[in-house]
Amino acid sequence: EAGVTQFPSHSVIEKGQTVTLRCDPISGHDNLYWYRRVMGKEIKFLLHFVKESKQDESGMPNNRFLAERTGGTYSTLKVQPAELEDSGVYFCASSAGRQYSYEQYFGPGTRLTVT
Amino acid sequence: LAKTTQPISMDSYEGQEVNITCSHNNIATNDYITWYQQFPSQGPRFIIQGYKTKVTNEVASLFIPADRKSSTLSLPRVSLSDTAVYYCLVGTRGSNYQLIWGAGTKLIIKP
Repeated sequence: EAGVTQFPSHSVIEKGQTVTLRCDPISGHDNLYWYRRVMGKEIKFLLHFVKESKQDESGMPNNRFLAERTGGTYSTLKVQPAELEDSGVYFCASSAGRQYSYEQYFGPGTRLTVT
Repeated sequence: LAKTTQPISMDSYEGQEVNITCSHNNIATNDYITWYQQFPSQGPRFIIQGYKTKVTNEVASLFIPADRKSSTLSLPRVSLSDTAVYYCLVGTRGSNYQLIWGAGTKLIIKP
């Protein structure tokens, strides 16, 4: 069974440009999460999808970030326009959504560098 | 939300049993305790989850005392490949199961 995949693995862009990160969850997982680790800080929750619906986007830093999950399969996270403080590693995770289970399957992350 | 506190780093040797303790004094009745492992340049990996007493799987054991204000992850007979950061998390209440991360414990296994 394929795990969670993320694309690209690395992205270097200039301030003001746009970047789109993609996450393919494990097939059949309705729950999809985005997290971010900024350099030297702890991993932070960004948002949570259940199928194609945003269940919780309380962690999204501002309106420069837009996440979508069309059709309830893969998800994209767009940053537009990117700022220097957006640099970090963006993780995607998926889960089957079993009750009381905190077992999430993480992708390898996308390392975003904004120069 | 319950905050967790765990040692910043630990060292041990191959073949030893390693115990990492986490405190979560403000844990709520409905909260679960979860541990993740992370290697450099990889995403975190689920290790174990528990609510009370003891949970064991093929990788680790999790000990939770009756008051649930702390928990101990036990890794039996560690090897060099167990060098990683280990995170103790207390699951949020509600239905979204988002994970709230701390700084984790950097475990270094020496030969």
